[in-house]
Formats: sequence, C-alpha cells, structure tokens
Amino acid sequence: QSVLTQPPSASGTPGQRVTISCSGSTSSIGSNTVNWYQQLPGTAPKLLIYSINQRPSGVPDRFSGSKSGTSASLAISGLQSDDEADYYCAAWDDSLNGQVFGGGTKLTVL
Amino acid sequence: QVQLVQSGAEVKKPGASVKVSCKASGYTFTSYGISWVRQAPGQGLEWMGWISAYSGNTKYAQKLQGRVTMTTDTSTSTAYMELRSLRSDDTAVYYCARTPPTGISYYYMDVWGKGTTVAVSS
Repeated sequence: QSVLTQPPSASGTPGQRVTISCSGSTSSIGSNTVNWYQQLPGTAPKLLIYSINQRPSGVPDRFSGSKSGTSASLAISGLQSDDEADYYCAAWDDSLNGQVFGGGTKLTVL
Repeated sequence: QVQLVQSGAEVKKPGASVKVSCKASGYTFTSYGISWVRQAPGQGLEWMGWISAYSGNTKYAQKLQGRVTMTTDTSTSTAYMELRSLRSDDTAVYYCARTPPTGISYYYMDVWGKGTTVAVSS
C-alpha cells in the first residue's frame, strides 16, 4: 500500500492530452513539493518534474505539473508513442521522515 | 557528463548481507547527496534512504532502520549501500540517485544509476 495514491493505469491517443493524479496527505503533498519520475520499460527512473512544476533541462514542455492542497497532477500534452511508460509521483512525508512514492501509473498510448 | 555507475548483480542466501556500490563522475561528489531506491519485481519504487556526501549524515526509511547502512568514500567518489539479514522480499533492483542539496521539503533525485539486481534465494 503506497502512501501516495495514483491510478494504476491511464491511456490516450497520439496528440491527446492526458493527466495523472496523485493524492497524498497534509504531511506529504500538503506540506512539501512534488516530483514526477518517468520509467520507460526496462530502464531506470528519470526525473521528469521537480518542485511541483519545474522541468529539468531536456524535458519537453509537453510535460507539466501542478499541485492543489494535498493532491498533485502531471499533464502530458501532444501525447506520443514514446511517452508509453510508468509514471511515479513522489514527495517528502514529514510524519514518516522519508521520501514516499505513489504506486505508479502505467500510461498506454493507443 | 554526470554519471552514476553501479556494481554488478548479486545472488545472496537468506540471512546474508549485500553491499552495492555507486561510483559518481562528472560532478563534485561532495556537493550532492546520494539516495537509494529499490524496486521489487513488477512493483513500484521504494525509498531506502539518503546520505550526504559532504557530511556523511544519513536518513533511513523506518522499515529498514537497523538493517541498512549507507556510506561514502570521497577519495573515490563512491557511495555504498549495505543491507543485512537479507530476506526473499529484499529481492529487487537497487538504484542510487544523485540528490541536490535542497531543503527536505524540496527533496528530489535528478540523476539515476542503471540499477543493481539483488536476488535473495536459498
């Protein structure tokens, strides 16, 4: 059972916009910033979004993040087949005094 | 370029210990921390802990307290993660990841190693 809650799956067609939600608590998302990681099949995770809505160098602006209260969202616009991957949200949890992850969302591009 | 190169796959028996290494290059090692994250087969990501390469300060996940030790060797820019009293549910891919020196509220991992597979089986 993950501390942060994500839908197990999401899907969209090429060019479409999809969003992935991440629900936490006052001690996690409610008090700290949120990060998103992309894990392509058979590879290591890659930082996609940090500090709620910041993109590392090289990450296209098709990817964006937001946060409201104890929830956060990742939006992907102009969906591409290369975006097919697992997406994880993460945040610090003050009660657990550690980093917590969502269970991951498997994105399928139809 | 910034790179984290991890040690090779390990097969261990229950009750044994494993020590995974993570050699950093392409940046000033002591200016960042190193986090460790594991992923059991077909499962999600689990944070194990963090070490400051500057001070050696550590934070460990509560469920691993007492079984895990993270260390660094600044002379070789290498971080180590040792896990003791291995059980079958410790079977996973273990990742190291560079962690910028932000405050706790802004904690994130920006560069990841390729992972080390650890299999625990009798």
